[in-house]
Amino acid sequence: KNEVEQSPQNLTAQEGEFITINCSYSVGISALHWLQQHPGGGIVSLFMLSSGKKKHGRLIATINIQEKHSSLHITASHPRDSAVYICAAWALLTSGTYKYIFGTGTRLKVLA
Amino acid sequence: NAGVTQTPKFRILKIGQSMTLQCTQDMNHNYMYWYRQDPGMGLKLIYYSVGAGITDKGEVPNGYNVSRSTTEDFPLRLELAAPSQTSVYFCASSYGDSWGSPLHFGNGTRLTVT
Repeated sequence: KNEVEQSPQNLTAQEGEFITINCSYSVGISALHWLQQHPGGGIVSLFMLSSGKKKHGRLIATINIQEKHSSLHITASHPRDSAVYICAAWALLTSGTYKYIFGTGTRLKVLA
Repeated sequence: NAGVTQTPKFRILKIGQSMTLQCTQDMNHNYMYWYRQDPGMGLKLIYYSVGAGITDKGEVPNGYNVSRSTTEDFPLRLELAAPSQTSVYFCASSYGDSWGSPLHFGNGTRLTVT
């Protein structure tokens, strides 16, 4: 079992729909990141959060530390939102160092 | 502000050839990383560096080498390329503090070994 699990793996939505992507983790973390990878391959950081909720435009990220779960929501989805969304945990290792652990990504396609 | 610059974008190698993937960042980040991304898989850490002169192995270091002579540059060397090294490679950087500062990625290198 991966230490960071995402669901669903693939998601197809109609333009305008509300979208939710989930991320669960089994390790201790100090922060969780949401990344976006466009079809061209580039990866950009969307959010970094350690508690509560963050909002940027139509994107909302939430995290529940007790339940070890984070969600990424997209309101009023648009075809340009089509991308792979990746969650990454900044995890504390037993050695006392930190490392990023990545989920395998959710491939989102928004149809016009 | 260029961010993380990674070259080349594409490369085809024959089995047994060697090459260096270049990565440079202009954000004065201490931490730099090399990842590979295989189809349907998450990003796997090859090597990382927490500062100039310091490098360490990640999850999949075999067949690769790195150096970090300056804060800005973190090249990845492939020796004796094998088909298993066909992948997309990403360089990334961050401040690396315990709170997990944002990761900045290069645009990736698509490598094919035939």
